[in-house]
Amino acid sequence: QQQVKQSPQSLIVQKGGISIINCAYENTAFDYFPWYQQFPGKGPALLIAIRPDVSEKKEGRFTISFNKSAKQFSLHIMDSQPGDSATYFCAAVWRGNSGYSTLTFGKGTMLLVSP
Amino acid sequence: DTGVSQDPRHKITKRGQNVTFRCDPISEHNRLYWYRQTLGQGPEFLTYFQNEAQLEKSRLLSDRFSAERPKGSFSTLEIQRTEQGDSAMYLCASSLQGGSSYNEQFFGPGTRLTVL
Repeated sequence: QQQVKQSPQSLIVQKGGISIINCAYENTAFDYFPWYQQFPGKGPALLIAIRPDVSEKKEGRFTISFNKSAKQFSLHIMDSQPGDSATYFCAAVWRGNSGYSTLTFGKGTMLLVSP
Repeated sequence: DTGVSQDPRHKITKRGQNVTFRCDPISEHNRLYWYRQTLGQGPEFLTYFQNEAQLEKSRLLSDRFSAERPKGSFSTLEIQRTEQGDSAMYLCASSLQGGSSYNEQFFGPGTRLTVL
């Protein structure tokens, strides 16, 4: 059972263009939605995150748009650069009974920004 | 480097052998997590420690898998009688407990296991 669905699987964008990655979730118990960036040979690193009571969050060239009623959220990368080429994972967080945070990841989007 | 470290980075083993991986979390972090990541997939939660106590285990963690965190510091993940389906990247993450907000999990570089 895939609780977080991510698309597209891969994406090629020209330098300076906008990269858009979409995710959808089903479990309304999720209460935090981070995006992770992973370079080859490295572990995922937190890029930006949003709470469900906010519709948009922007940090530099990265923006999350969140639609609570549709249970969808997306990552926009403005002015995409070759250095942004990586795999991006959306995730959803649910805090369990013991208070820890369970991260449920999407399958990832491999982004290639062409020079 | 004060991030999460994992050892070894790569492990090749034959089917049926036992393997053990080590994770050293960020020193002040009391929460430690293990994930498995297969090709084309996002990381999947395996287990979670708070200090030395293992508080949660995924159904993905079969009885051939065992994890420990003695003294609440480093952690080990052992796989007994490895199978080809165990081939994956094993990621460790740590976080700091506190408050009601989400505490970021910091990931290590992973151990890539190949079972022949």
